[in-house]
Amino acid sequence: AQSVTQPDIHITVSEGASLELRCNYSYGATPYLFWYVQSPGQGLQLLLKYFSGDTLVQGIKGFEAEFKRSQSSFNLRKPSVHWSDAAEYFCAVGGVSGGGADGLTFGKGTHLIIQP
Amino acid sequence: DSGVTQTPKHLITATGQRVTLRCSPRSGDLSVYWYQQSLDQGLQFLIQYYNGEERAKGNILERFSAQQFPDLHSELNLSSLELGDSALYFCASSVTGGRDTEAFFGQGTRLTVV
Repeated sequence: AQSVTQPDIHITVSEGASLELRCNYSYGATPYLFWYVQSPGQGLQLLLKYFSGDTLVQGIKGFEAEFKRSQSSFNLRKPSVHWSDAAEYFCAVGGVSGGGADGLTFGKGTHLIIQP
Repeated sequence: DSGVTQTPKHLITATGQRVTLRCSPRSGDLSVYWYQQSLDQGLQFLIQYYNGEERAKGNILERFSAQQFPDLHSELNLSSLELGDSALYFCASSVTGGRDTEAFFGQGTRLTVV
């Protein structure tokens, strides 16, 4: 069965500093990978996705992520964080193969705190 | 605004009761997903519909059921509610429902069972 691990429950970063959020997945085939952000009281917003091709993908709000098959990782990065980036971040892997989506499998999330 | 509309935003009900959550997908999207977000379990996939037909099932309890109507809106029915069913329920939609399609999430319905 597929799974997603986000090792860091909380991360605190100073405003203007760089950010890396870790994500490891377990999946039997080519993974389809996503990063979502959830602000307090809001739904989930897609930051970026990896389906195939270039392993470095660019997303919205200045985020990027790198797919590393050898490490089963899809870490999210941002060169300089802003106070508005404080939120919960979820990594997810696409559903099982065979034509059906089977929904997304999410990690437990990483809570990002921005220090002034 | 994702274009996915969920109603109601908040719902408080008693144990043993039944509630219906409603979802209107983005215009043009044929697939609807339901997710449950709780502190214990995190975000869990419940069920997926595509163009009116059930397509995939996740960790959905037998007390829960869903359907997608001809106009593509969907309803999630939760019955014999228990305290542990208190959670945020999200609906998402996508164009085709394939695993490589982007899903757009609504803002959720917060269910509190007392």
